[in-house]
Amino acid sequence: SAVISQKPSRDICQRGTSLTIQCQVDSQVTMMFWYRQQPGQSLTLIATANQGSEATYESGFVIDKFPISRPNLTFSTLTVSNMSPEDSSIYLCSVRLSRAEAFFGQGTRLTVV
Amino acid sequence: AQTVTQSQPEMSVQEAETVTLSCTYDTSESDYYLFWYKQPPSRQMILVIRQEAYKQQNATENRFSVNFQKAAKSFSLKISDSQLGDAAMYFCAYRGMNRDDKIIFGKGTRLHILP
Repeated sequence: SAVISQKPSRDICQRGTSLTIQCQVDSQVTMMFWYRQQPGQSLTLIATANQGSEATYESGFVIDKFPISRPNLTFSTLTVSNMSPEDSSIYLCSVRLSRAEAFFGQGTRLTVV
Repeated sequence: AQTVTQSQPEMSVQEAETVTLSCTYDTSESDYYLFWYKQPPSRQMILVIRQEAYKQQNATENRFSVNFQKAAKSFSLKISDSQLGDAAMYFCAYRGMNRDDKIIFGKGTRLHILP
């Protein structure tokens, strides 16, 4: 398994500002994933972050709104830019090791006011 | 495209009783993985159980077991001797065998445990 530390655990932000969420893994992983979970909903994949290359974004998500960094094999950040109340969600970092299943961080609960 | 359907938005079970959560999926693949994840109020997604499609034997993890019906594309989760700590959202998920395949989640079932 993997231990994933995600910070901050929660935040309340003003609209129009940006928040950067950090994800630290206790082992080297090739692929890291960022998900959004809107209130009462399932998980939606935002992007896949590969070390040494640009992140791959899913339909409906763009780099300008959700820039991602992946400086090494144990760390990634997701920034939520120019926030609006519609961005209020839980954001989850995830990794997949050699086995099939994904492991998740504790999530960041973002509220935009 | 693959889909995962959980038809029960909410369920309740008496403590110490047994409950079964339903999940169906659609795929044209013959080999794949299926998972049940638990998300308690703490928000962290926790893997409960995993099943490889090529294995006929149903996976079991302590009080958690699955009924995997490949032909029917059904993957239900049975929780025996329910405990208060089992209260959570449960997500059924599918993933193909290819390295780049993404995990597809169902909409979830909220499970309440009644003391």
